[in-house]
Amino acid sequence: QITLKESGPTLVKPTQTLTLTCSFSGFSLSTSGEGVGWIRQPPGKALEWLALIYWDDKRYSPSLRRRLTITKDTSKNQVVLTMTNMDPVDTATYHCALAPGGDYFDYWGQGTLVTVSS
Amino acid sequence: QSVLTQPPSVSGAPGQRVTISCTGSRANIGAGYDVHWYQQLPGTAPKLLIYTNYIRPSGVPDRFSGSNSGTSASLAISGLQAEDEADYYCQSYDSLSGSVFGTGTKVTVL
Repeated sequence: QITLKESGPTLVKPTQTLTLTCSFSGFSLSTSGEGVGWIRQPPGKALEWLALIYWDDKRYSPSLRRRLTITKDTSKNQVVLTMTNMDPVDTATYHCALAPGGDYFDYWGQGTLVTVSS
Repeated sequence: QSVLTQPPSVSGAPGQRVTISCTGSRANIGAGYDVHWYQQLPGTAPKLLIYTNYIRPSGVPDRFSGSNSGTSASLAISGLQAEDEADYYCQSYDSLSGSVFGTGTKVTVL
């Protein structure tokens, strides 16, 4: 059974760095082809693709690349996303999801709402 | 704003067929990149509905179908049901923007 779950702060202040952790089970990132991605959704708005990590590759949204870092810990089955210089416009539900071997996502975490406010 | 444009809303009566367009360009769908579709029920995470243009994951009813033509893609829902009322998103790859989602479409069952 494949599961993913996001964890991290629910509230961050402007200019702070956000660190989110995706804990997953049922698959391994040491397997070639599978990846874990991060997608966010501001309240009432559309989905936005952020980053994706495979066992041997990392990809970032060009518009957010300078602020994002994605890493993995295969021993813990975790993927961590950091986003620097947070702004109120970054308020959103952040999801992690499994990319089974393409750029689509077939299993999603429930998401975690992050609010950026002073 | 996304490089993939969808109509904000579509509606239909139960049993009808509705289609949702996903309009791109030669930098994404027109370049041959695959299109995927998701359904998002209120308050829940997106669910994969169609991948690689027309393939349905196990458990997705065959009422849902995907197709591509030129720089656009479409999701068709036939035999519309009340449970289909949700937001729908397309996703593809863009040579300038990377992986992108569409603007989203709200389907209302009348």
